[in-house]
Amino acid sequence: EVQLVESGGGLVQPGGSLRLSCAASGFSFSNYEMNWVRQAPGKGLEWISYITKSGGTIYYADSVKGRFTISRDNAKNSLYLQMNSLRAEDTAVYFCSRGEVPAASFDYWGQGTLVTVSS
Amino acid sequence: IQMTQSPSSLSASVGDRVTITCRASQSIRNYLNWYRQKPGKAPKLLIYGASSLQSGVPSRFSGSGSGTDFTLTISSLQPEDFATYYCQQTYSPPRTFGQGTKVEIK
Repeated sequence: EVQLVESGGGLVQPGGSLRLSCAASGFSFSNYEMNWVRQAPGKGLEWISYITKSGGTIYYADSVKGRFTISRDNAKNSLYLQMNSLRAEDTAVYFCSRGEVPAASFDYWGQGTLVTVSS
Repeated sequence: IQMTQSPSSLSASVGDRVTITCRASQSIRNYLNWYRQKPGKAPKLLIYGASSLQSGVPSRFSGSGSGTDFTLTISSLQPEDFATYYCQQTYSPPRTFGQGTKVEIK
């Protein structure tokens, strides 16, 4: 069974940092691109980052570019999101999701982890 | 690429046929996906590649379109379908979502 489990969320002050993790199981992690998507309270879905199977190609949404860093460790079946210079508007539930081929749709999602940026 | 869904919300009854549209600001060929999200839950993939039904998704869901205009149809609304629906383009990054369509009980 495919499972994605996020962790690392919590309360952080503006300007602070947080590292999210996504543990994957039930599939060959190294064969899939991965994504982070977030959802602010009461708002819609916002794609924020994507990483290819090898980690060789990475994209970010403009809203997080220069502040967030996506990475993966295929040996540990894990995806990461390092979030720096956090702002109140980064408050959201953060989901990791698997990118399916060939349509690149997001076929499996984790349950999400809540990040709250507040003083 | 901007994705615009309509309507933003709708009211319907169990058994109704429901149609949601999604328009892209430029051609995305058929790189269009549809998701359903229930409150407090992760989104669930329904349709990929504009018209392909994801494994395990009931056949009452169907998708159509290509280029810039797309449609999600639910042929007979079921109680579990009262939720928010999102389209998403995966033609090019950023992999933008539409703003969502909330389907409520009439």
